[in-house]
Amino acid sequence: QKEVEQDPGPLSVPEGAIVSLNCTYSNSAFQYFMWYRQYSRKGPELLMYTYSSGNKEDGRFTAQVDKSSKYISLFIRDSQPSDSATYLCAMSDTGANSKLTFGKGITLSVRP
Amino acid sequence: KAGVTQTPRYLIKTRGQQVTLSCSPISGHRSVSWYQQTPGQGLQFLFEYFSETQRNKGNFPGRFSGRQFSNSRSEMNVSTLELGDSALYLCASSERGVGQKYFGPGTRLLVL
Repeated sequence: QKEVEQDPGPLSVPEGAIVSLNCTYSNSAFQYFMWYRQYSRKGPELLMYTYSSGNKEDGRFTAQVDKSSKYISLFIRDSQPSDSATYLCAMSDTGANSKLTFGKGITLSVRP
Repeated sequence: KAGVTQTPRYLIKTRGQQVTLSCSPISGHRSVSWYQQTPGQGLQFLFEYFSETQRNKGNFPGRFSGRQFSNSRSEMNVSTLELGDSALYLCASSERGVGQKYFGPGTRLLVL
């Protein structure tokens, strides 16, 4: 079993739709949870960052972490064509081993 | 603040050669980590440096090495290049190592 599993996609939605992206993980030591957005031929851009459990909202984006279920989500409201990109979940623990473990990423396409 | 910069952005090498990639972190950040991104394996952790010391290493052969300088800039070296080393090499900058990491645009390496 991979440490981090992410729905493989791709995902295509109409403009204005609510998008739900999800990841599950197996390592209970993970405490830091991040979502990155990566446009084609660019580096990943940090979109959302959460420590431990709970929700975090930033504009049209909401990140949720459910540590009891080992499940994290990213919601995008009122999706725009500019949201078309690959979304990667990433997580790490709190020790000296602070490497990020990534999901494989899901490619989202928002149709005008 | 300026973001993470990586040079060069593109490289073409032949098998057996060696290559050195450079990364300048965000000002004030003391941690630099390196990741390899390929379509098949996704993002995989190579190593992390903090205050000039390698703090963590991923499961890559010894041909992959790195170092960090006193100004936090980091270099990564790959010797005896193989075709499978073709990838996007990403550098991530972090203030303390744990938590949020910010990625550079990457160096795209093609090995022929």
